[in-house]
Amino acid sequence: QMQLVESGGGVVQPGGSLRLSCVASGFTFSRYGMNWVRRAPGKGLEWVALTWADGSETFYGGSVKGRFTISRDNSKNTLYLQMNSLRDDDTAVYYCARDIGPRPRNYFDSWGQGTLVSVSS
Amino acid sequence: DIVMTQTPLFLSVTPGQPASISCRSSQSLQHSDGKNYLYWYLQKPGQSPQLLIYEVSNRFSGVPDRFSGSGSGTDFTLRISRVEAEDVGLYYCMQSIQFPLTFGGGTRVEI
Repeated sequence: QMQLVESGGGVVQPGGSLRLSCVASGFTFSRYGMNWVRRAPGKGLEWVALTWADGSETFYGGSVKGRFTISRDNSKNTLYLQMNSLRDDDTAVYYCARDIGPRPRNYFDSWGQGTLVSVSS
Repeated sequence: DIVMTQTPLFLSVTPGQPASISCRSSQSLQHSDGKNYLYWYLQKPGQSPQLLIYEVSNRFSGVPDRFSGSGSGTDFTLRISRVEAEDVGLYYCMQSIQFPLTFGGGTRVEI
């Protein structure tokens, strides 16, 4: 049974950094693209980033481009999101989600339980 | 960016009655391969989002057949033939024909 488990969320000051992790199990991680999607309090879902199965390509939403970096370690079945220069509006629950692919079939068939990031002074 | 507009924002339904949600995109979601890359997700209270419908009208594994999707180009609809209590939550449409992937603002369905 496949599972995605996020961790690394917490409280951070504006301008600070945080790294999220998502550990995958129950499927061949290296065969799938992976995404981060977030939901801010009282708002809807927002796609954050995608990395291809081999990590060779990455794509970002406009609000995080240049500040966030998605990466993966297929030997550890782990997806990462390095978040720098955090702002108040980055406060959200962050989900990792498995990508069906290939382009343009980038949709998500399985999601983790989410990890909460709170940016506050 | 492709803007996805959902209506209504809020839907109060009676169990056993039908319901529908509209999703309109600012650009056509039809690819040169003829498919429309439009999806529907449901986030139930306290849960992670879950996939309901992919590529307009295909129900994902385990999704009850009371859910159906239709549309093409820029106009899409999710229908629930007979709403059940477990269908409450936030419904989102999403497009994947162009980066960045974008979601509609969501429709809250309550009983």
